[in-house]
Amino acid sequence: SYVLTQPPSVSVAPGQTARITCGGNNIGSKSVHWYQQRPGQAPVLVVYDDSDRPSGIPERFSGSNSGNTATLTISRVEAGDEADYYCQVWDSSSDHFLWVFGGGTKLTVL
Amino acid sequence: QVQLQESGPGLVKASETLSLTCTVSGGSISSYYWSWIRQPPGKGLEWIGYIYHSGSTDYNASLKSRVTISVDTSKNQFSLRLNSVTAADTAVYYCASSRALIYIDVWGKGTTVTVSS
Repeated sequence: SYVLTQPPSVSVAPGQTARITCGGNNIGSKSVHWYQQRPGQAPVLVVYDDSDRPSGIPERFSGSNSGNTATLTISRVEAGDEADYYCQVWDSSSDHFLWVFGGGTKLTVL
Repeated sequence: QVQLQESGPGLVKASETLSLTCTVSGGSISSYYWSWIRQPPGKGLEWIGYIYHSGSTDYNASLKSRVTISVDTSKNQFSLRLNSVTAADTAVYYCASSRALIYIDVWGKGTTVTVSS
């Protein structure tokens, strides 16, 4: 089955840029989606189809995807961005369709 | 916007069946794809399976032998049954909706299920 690899943690100072990576075999050929999960809350979609934002998500959140790495970029980081972030793809490489999640990255705002 | 609310027992005995229901409001269940995802304590997200309003389903291969997802369009609800539970099934269970299937638009708030021995 398809595997997505994320760094366990990323730290950044307020106002700086955070980059969270998601690695997978030829992930650039797939659509990658990103979710934010604040402590004790349900996940929220922040980027879909590699780089699109749902309504209500700040422009500070952006995404890219190429080769074997997808990246979620958060510009001008705020304290409220501190959360776990998960990447996800739709894998149809087997005889089943399934959603695959990365292991998650904890973003700490210093 | 669609809103989702999970309901069901918070405690299930080992070897028994976990049953949860998700009630859909603000939209019709006769659209979209409806899913269950779980998150063990301190761990990441695991997709369990989905159902389309027509009744077609697909499940995570690792759980397929124990899982059934069903839909009740008359009640605007869909349900999860997980048989023969063990402590490893202790988790927060989320129901979710997808317009495009490939990603999740809306999540429920989640419900904690603990499997006791």
